[in-house]
Amino acid sequence: GQSLEQPSEVTAVEGAIVQINCTYQTSGFYGLSWYQQHDGGAPTFLSYNGLDGLEETGRFSSFLSRSDSYGYLLLQELQMKDSASYFCAVIWTSGSARQLTFGSGTQLTVLP
Amino acid sequence: NAGVTQTPKFQVLKTGQSMTLQCAQDMNHEYMSWYRQDPGMGLRLIHYSVGAGITDQGEVPNGYNVSRSTTEDFPLRLLSAAPSQTSVYFCASNPQDSYLANTGELFFGEGSRLTVL
Repeated sequence: GQSLEQPSEVTAVEGAIVQINCTYQTSGFYGLSWYQQHDGGAPTFLSYNGLDGLEETGRFSSFLSRSDSYGYLLLQELQMKDSASYFCAVIWTSGSARQLTFGSGTQLTVLP
Repeated sequence: NAGVTQTPKFQVLKTGQSMTLQCAQDMNHEYMSWYRQDPGMGLRLIHYSVGAGITDQGEVPNGYNVSRSTTEDFPLRLLSAAPSQTSVYFCASNPQDSYLANTGELFFGEGSRLTVL
């Protein structure tokens, strides 16, 4: 099966930088995605790493190391609205189709 | 453009009742999937479909049926509801299977909150 680990909670202050780590054990691995979810609403896509290295999208960056089965999401210049749950998710292949399996999520609290 | 639409948004059932959660998308997406999310947990895949007439099981398929007669619709059927199926259900889609591998992006509906008493 697929296994992902990420911290359950992270707290940071407004304006700071926070890093959310994700380690995985996956067969048929394609890539690692990150999603944001506010208060049980619809998850929204943030970033994807199909190759090793850093991907930057505005204040958010994501990193992948395939050799270490490790990735992280970096949030800079934190804002109150960034308080949410963040999920890493692996894309992998099962038979003829791809699937996306989520981690348990990291609850980020941004303090004023 | 409505995107992914789920109905109903809220539902209360009694144990043993059956019901169907509806999911429709107007983006001509081939790939559709159903996830459930329990408190403090990530989303777990129930069933998915890579196109009309093709469905497959995910991580937690027991107690659920799906069908895909059209590209637009992917209903999820609970055959005999149990309290363990109390959860929030999300439907998600993307243009096609290879799109998921290339972008890692799914488009989610707003969710259906189900309580089984």
